[in-house]
Amino acid sequence: QKEVEQNSGPLSVPEGAIASLNCTYSDRGSQSFFWYRQYSGKSPELIMFIYSNGDKEDGRFTAQLNKASQYVSLLIRDSQPSDSATYLCAVNRGGYQKVTFGTGTKLQVIP
Amino acid sequence: DAGVIQSPRHEVTEMGQEVTLRCKPISGHDYLFWYRQTMMRGLELLIYFNNNVPIDDSGMPEDRFSAKMPNASFSTLKIQPSEPRDSAVYFCASRPGKANYGYTFGSGTRLTVV
Repeated sequence: QKEVEQNSGPLSVPEGAIASLNCTYSDRGSQSFFWYRQYSGKSPELIMFIYSNGDKEDGRFTAQLNKASQYVSLLIRDSQPSDSATYLCAVNRGGYQKVTFGTGTKLQVIP
Repeated sequence: DAGVIQSPRHEVTEMGQEVTLRCKPISGHDYLFWYRQTMMRGLELLIYFNNNVPIDDSGMPEDRFSAKMPNASFSTLKIQPSEPRDSAVYFCASRPGKANYGYTFGSGTRLTVV
C-alpha cells in the first residue's frame, strides 16, 4: 500500500463547477497535510495546509480532513481554466520533518 | 526574496559523466530537501539537511548519488557516474525550522542522461 494515494485523473470539470480532489494516507501517525499545485513544467507551490479534523477555507479553496478515515480532500469552488494543473497531496508524520507526496491528480477545467 | 534558486535549469550529459546540481535555499530556512520527480514514481525524497547537517539520506538511490551542504546558503547533489535512468527533474526545497510549514520549491533541474 502506498503511503499517500491519489487518483491520477484526469479529472475534468466545467468552468464554474466545484472540483473535488481526494487523497488517502496509510500512516495513522500523520499530523500535517498539504496540498500543492503544479503547473506543467513548473515546480510545486503550496496552496493549503491543514492539521485539524474538519474544514479549512481559503478563498475558493477548502481543505477537508478526516483522520479517522485517513482521508483528506481539496475542494475548488468556481473552477477556472487557470486552475488546470496537477494537485499533489503531501503528508507529514508528527515529529518527522520529511513529507511524503502522492503522485498527484491532474485537473482539467473546461471553458 | 528570490526564493529557492537552482542551477542549471537543464542539463544534458552522456552516460558515465559526472553531474552536479546546485541549490541556494531561502535565507533563514533551516531545512533543505532534495527531491526527484519522474512520471512513474512522482516526487521522491532523496535527502534532507537541518542546519547544514544531513539528517536522512535513505532515499538516495545508490552510492552514485551524494549530497553536501557546506554552508547555510548552498547545497549540491552530485551523480557520478550518471546513467540514463537518472533522467528526471530534480527539485530542491527549503522551509523554516518551525514545524508544520510547507516547503518552497526551486524551479528544478531537468536532467537528461543520454
